Amino acid sequence: QVQLMESGGGVVQPGRSLRLSCEASGFTFSSYSIYWVRQAPGMGLEWVAVISYDGSNKFYADSVKGRFTISRDNSKNTLYLHMNSLRPEDTAVYYCAKDENSSPQYWGHGTLVIVSS
Amino acid sequence: VVLTQSPLYLPVTLGQPASISCRSSQGLVNINGNTYLSWFQQRPGQSPRRLIYRVSNRDSGVPDRFSGSGSGTDFTLKISRVEAEDVGIYYCLQGSHSPPWTFGQGTRVDI
Repeated sequence: QVQLMESGGGVVQPGRSLRLSCEASGFTFSSYSIYWVRQAPGMGLEWVAVISYDGSNKFYADSVKGRFTISRDNSKNTLYLHMNSLRPEDTAVYYCAKDENSSPQYWGHGTLVIVSS
Repeated sequence: VVLTQSPLYLPVTLGQPASISCRSSQGLVNINGNTYLSWFQQRPGQSPRRLIYRVSNRDSGVPDRFSGSGSGTDFTLKISRVEAEDVGIYYCLQGSHSPPWTFGQGTRVDI
Protein backbone atom coordinates (compact mmCIF):
# COMPACT_ATOMS: atom_id res chain seq x y z
CA GLN A 1 0.00 0.00 0.00
CA VAL A 2 1.04 3.61 -0.48
CA GLN A 3 3.17 4.91 2.37
CA LEU A 4 4.80 8.26 2.89
CA MET A 5 7.03 8.88 5.88
CA GLU A 6 8.33 12.32 6.75
CA SER A 7 11.36 12.95 8.92
CA GLY A 8 13.79 15.70 9.82
CA GLY A 9 11.61 17.93 11.95
CA GLY A 10 12.74 19.44 15.22
CA VAL A 11 13.40 22.65 17.10
CA VAL A 12 15.49 25.23 15.25
CA GLN A 13 16.39 28.84 15.93
CA PRO A 14 15.07 31.65 13.73
CA GLY A 15 17.28 32.25 10.73
CA ARG A 16 18.67 28.72 10.70
CA SER A 17 18.09 25.93 8.20
CA LEU A 18 16.50 22.51 8.24
CA ARG A 19 15.99 19.74 5.70
CA LEU A 20 12.90 17.56 5.73
CA SER A 21 12.70 14.19 3.99
CA CYS A 22 9.76 12.13 2.79
CA GLU A 23 10.41 8.47 2.00
CA ALA A 24 7.83 6.85 -0.27
CA SER A 25 6.87 3.25 -0.89
CA GLY A 26 4.05 1.21 -2.37
CA PHE A 27 3.86 3.06 -5.68
CA THR A 28 6.05 4.13 -8.61
CA PHE A 29 7.49 7.23 -7.00
CA SER A 30 9.08 8.52 -10.21
CA SER A 31 5.67 8.75 -11.91
CA TYR A 32 3.96 11.19 -9.56
CA SER A 33 4.10 14.80 -8.48
CA ILE A 34 4.46 15.24 -4.74
CA TYR A 35 3.28 18.08 -2.49
CA TRP A 36 4.42 19.59 0.77
CA VAL A 37 1.53 20.91 2.87
CA ARG A 38 1.86 22.38 6.36
CA GLN A 39 -0.42 22.99 9.31
CA ALA A 40 0.47 25.49 12.02
CA PRO A 41 -0.66 24.53 15.54
CA GLY A 42 -4.45 24.78 15.81
CA MET A 43 -4.70 26.18 12.29
CA GLY A 44 -5.81 25.02 8.85
CA LEU A 45 -3.93 23.48 5.96
CA GLU A 46 -1.54 25.51 3.80
CA TRP A 47 -0.01 24.33 0.52
CA VAL A 48 3.76 24.92 0.58
CA ALA A 49 5.30 23.47 -2.59
CA VAL A 50 4.94 20.86 -5.30
CA ILE A 51 7.40 19.10 -7.60
CA SER A 52 6.63 17.28 -10.83
CA TYR A 53 7.36 13.59 -11.31
CA ASP A 54 10.77 14.22 -12.85
CA GLY A 55 11.71 17.30 -10.84
CA SER A 56 11.55 19.59 -13.87
CA ASN A 57 8.76 21.76 -12.48
CA LYS A 58 8.62 23.22 -9.01
CA PHE A 59 6.15 25.68 -7.52
CA TYR A 60 6.09 27.45 -4.18
CA ALA A 61 3.70 29.39 -1.99
CA ASP A 62 4.56 33.09 -1.77
CA SER A 63 5.14 32.66 1.96
CA VAL A 64 8.17 30.40 1.35
CA LYS A 65 9.39 31.43 -2.10
CA GLY A 66 13.11 32.20 -2.08
CA ARG A 67 13.62 30.47 1.29
CA PHE A 68 12.44 26.88 0.70
CA THR A 69 13.57 24.48 -2.02
CA ILE A 70 11.76 21.28 -2.97
CA SER A 71 13.72 18.48 -4.59
CA ARG A 72 13.54 14.74 -5.13
CA ASP A 73 15.79 11.75 -5.68
CA ASN A 74 13.83 9.21 -7.69
CA SER A 75 16.58 6.62 -7.25
CA LYS A 76 15.93 6.75 -3.50
CA ASN A 77 12.15 7.26 -3.63
CA THR A 78 12.67 10.32 -1.49
CA LEU A 79 11.37 13.89 -1.51
CA TYR A 80 13.08 16.76 0.27
CA LEU A 81 12.26 20.22 1.53
CA HIS A 82 15.25 22.43 2.21
CA MET A 83 14.16 25.25 4.50
CA ASN A 84 16.41 28.29 4.93
CA SER A 85 16.01 31.53 6.87
CA LEU A 86 13.36 29.95 9.07
CA ARG A 87 10.87 32.18 10.84
CA PRO A 88 8.63 31.56 13.86
CA GLU A 89 5.64 31.56 11.49
CA ASP A 90 7.10 28.49 9.75
CA THR A 91 6.30 26.48 12.88
CA ALA A 92 3.97 23.71 11.72
CA VAL A 93 3.49 20.05 11.03
CA TYR A 94 4.80 19.42 7.52
CA TYR A 95 3.10 16.74 5.44
CA CYS A 96 4.16 15.24 2.13
CA ALA A 97 1.39 13.97 -0.11
CA LYS A 98 1.17 12.08 -3.39
CA ASP A 99 -0.67 13.69 -6.27
CA GLU A 100 -3.58 12.01 -8.02
CA ASN A 101 -5.97 13.95 -10.26
CA SER A 102 -4.25 17.24 -9.42
CA SER A 103 -4.93 16.86 -5.72
CA PRO A 104 -3.02 15.34 -2.78
CA GLN A 105 -4.46 11.87 -2.38
CA TYR A 106 -2.24 10.01 0.11
CA TRP A 107 -0.62 11.84 3.03
CA GLY A 108 2.16 10.98 5.42
CA HIS A 109 1.89 11.30 9.19
CA GLY A 110 3.76 14.61 9.20
CA THR A 111 6.86 15.95 10.94
CA LEU A 112 6.79 18.87 13.39
CA VAL A 113 9.04 21.87 12.88
CA ILE A 114 9.32 24.41 15.70
CA VAL A 115 11.14 27.65 15.02
CA SER A 116 11.99 29.27 18.32
CA SER A 117 14.90 30.88 20.10
CA VAL B 1 -8.43 32.10 -5.63
CA VAL B 2 -10.03 32.30 -2.18
CA LEU B 3 -12.22 29.46 -0.91
CA THR B 4 -14.77 30.33 1.75
CA GLN B 5 -16.33 27.49 3.71
CA SER B 6 -19.55 27.69 5.68
CA PRO B 7 -20.41 27.06 8.35
CA LEU B 8 -17.10 27.04 10.21
CA TYR B 9 -18.68 24.97 12.97
CA LEU B 10 -21.35 22.37 12.31
CA PRO B 11 -23.05 20.60 15.21
CA VAL B 12 -24.59 17.37 13.93
CA THR B 13 -26.92 14.65 15.15
CA LEU B 14 -26.07 11.00 14.63
CA GLY B 15 -28.05 9.52 11.77
CA GLN B 16 -29.02 12.92 10.40
CA PRO B 17 -27.71 14.57 7.22
CA ALA B 18 -25.07 17.30 7.18
CA SER B 19 -23.86 19.69 4.53
CA ILE B 20 -20.79 21.94 4.11
CA SER B 21 -20.50 24.70 1.54
CA CYS B 22 -17.34 25.83 -0.24
CA ARG B 23 -17.54 28.99 -2.33
CA SER B 24 -14.78 30.16 -4.62
CA SER B 25 -13.86 33.76 -5.44
CA GLN B 26 -13.78 32.77 -9.09
CA GLY B 27 -15.07 29.95 -11.24
CA LEU B 28 -13.10 26.71 -10.93
CA VAL B 29 -13.42 25.42 -14.47
CA ASN B 30 -9.89 25.58 -15.84
CA ILE B 31 -8.72 26.08 -19.43
CA ASN B 32 -8.97 22.32 -20.03
CA GLY B 33 -12.61 22.28 -19.00
CA ASN B 34 -11.89 20.40 -15.76
CA THR B 35 -12.84 21.43 -12.23
CA TYR B 36 -10.25 20.49 -9.63
CA LEU B 37 -12.14 20.84 -6.36
CA SER B 38 -11.52 18.22 -3.71
CA TRP B 39 -12.60 17.58 -0.12
CA PHE B 40 -10.56 16.32 2.83
CA GLN B 41 -11.39 14.99 6.26
CA GLN B 42 -9.04 15.41 9.21
CA ARG B 43 -10.02 13.42 12.27
CA PRO B 44 -8.62 14.56 15.63
CA GLY B 45 -4.91 13.78 15.86
CA GLN B 46 -4.72 12.34 12.34
CA SER B 47 -3.37 13.35 8.96
CA PRO B 48 -5.82 14.64 6.36
CA ARG B 49 -7.56 12.08 4.19
CA ARG B 50 -8.98 12.84 0.77
CA LEU B 51 -12.65 11.99 0.38
CA ILE B 52 -13.65 13.53 -2.94
CA TYR B 53 -11.74 14.67 -6.03
CA ARG B 54 -12.84 16.62 -9.10
CA VAL B 55 -16.05 17.77 -7.38
CA SER B 56 -17.91 14.50 -7.08
CA ASN B 57 -15.59 11.48 -7.36
CA ARG B 58 -15.29 9.47 -4.17
CA ASP B 59 -11.91 8.05 -3.30
CA SER B 60 -11.52 4.31 -2.80
CA GLY B 61 -12.67 3.20 0.63
CA VAL B 62 -14.71 6.32 1.33
CA PRO B 63 -18.22 5.43 2.55
CA ASP B 64 -20.99 6.22 0.09
CA ARG B 65 -22.70 8.46 2.67
CA PHE B 66 -20.20 11.11 1.54
CA SER B 67 -20.99 12.92 -1.69
CA GLY B 68 -19.71 16.00 -3.47
CA SER B 69 -21.53 18.27 -5.86
CA GLY B 70 -21.47 21.72 -7.37
CA SER B 71 -20.15 23.74 -10.26
CA GLY B 72 -18.72 27.13 -11.10
CA THR B 73 -18.13 28.82 -7.75
CA ASP B 74 -20.42 26.85 -5.42
CA PHE B 75 -19.60 23.38 -4.10
CA THR B 76 -21.05 21.16 -1.39
CA LEU B 77 -19.96 18.16 0.65
CA LYS B 78 -22.88 16.16 1.99
CA ILE B 79 -23.01 13.42 4.59
CA SER B 80 -26.26 11.53 4.18
CA ARG B 81 -26.32 10.06 7.72
CA VAL B 82 -23.70 11.23 10.17
CA GLU B 83 -21.81 8.60 12.12
CA ALA B 84 -19.62 9.13 15.18
CA GLU B 85 -16.44 8.54 13.16
CA ASP B 86 -17.26 11.56 10.96
CA VAL B 87 -16.24 13.99 13.72
CA GLY B 88 -13.36 16.16 12.56
CA ILE B 89 -12.45 19.10 10.36
CA TYR B 90 -13.32 19.17 6.68
CA TYR B 91 -11.44 21.20 4.07
CA CYS B 92 -12.03 21.98 0.43
CA LEU B 93 -9.09 22.52 -1.93
CA GLN B 94 -8.87 24.00 -5.40
CA GLY B 95 -6.25 23.10 -7.98
CA SER B 96 -7.96 24.50 -11.06
CA HIS B 97 -6.04 27.77 -10.94
CA SER B 98 -2.73 26.58 -9.62
CA PRO B 99 -0.23 27.48 -8.50
CA PRO B 100 -1.07 28.22 -5.81
CA TRP B 101 -3.29 25.43 -4.55
CA THR B 102 -5.63 26.93 -1.95
CA PHE B 103 -7.59 25.38 0.91
CA GLY B 104 -10.74 26.61 2.55
CA GLN B 105 -10.53 27.59 6.24
CA GLY B 106 -11.97 24.31 7.42
CA THR B 107 -15.32 23.31 8.95
CA ARG B 108 -15.38 21.62 12.33
CA VAL B 109 -18.02 18.88 12.55
CA ASP B 110 -18.97 17.71 16.02
CA ILE B 111 -21.76 15.71 17.59
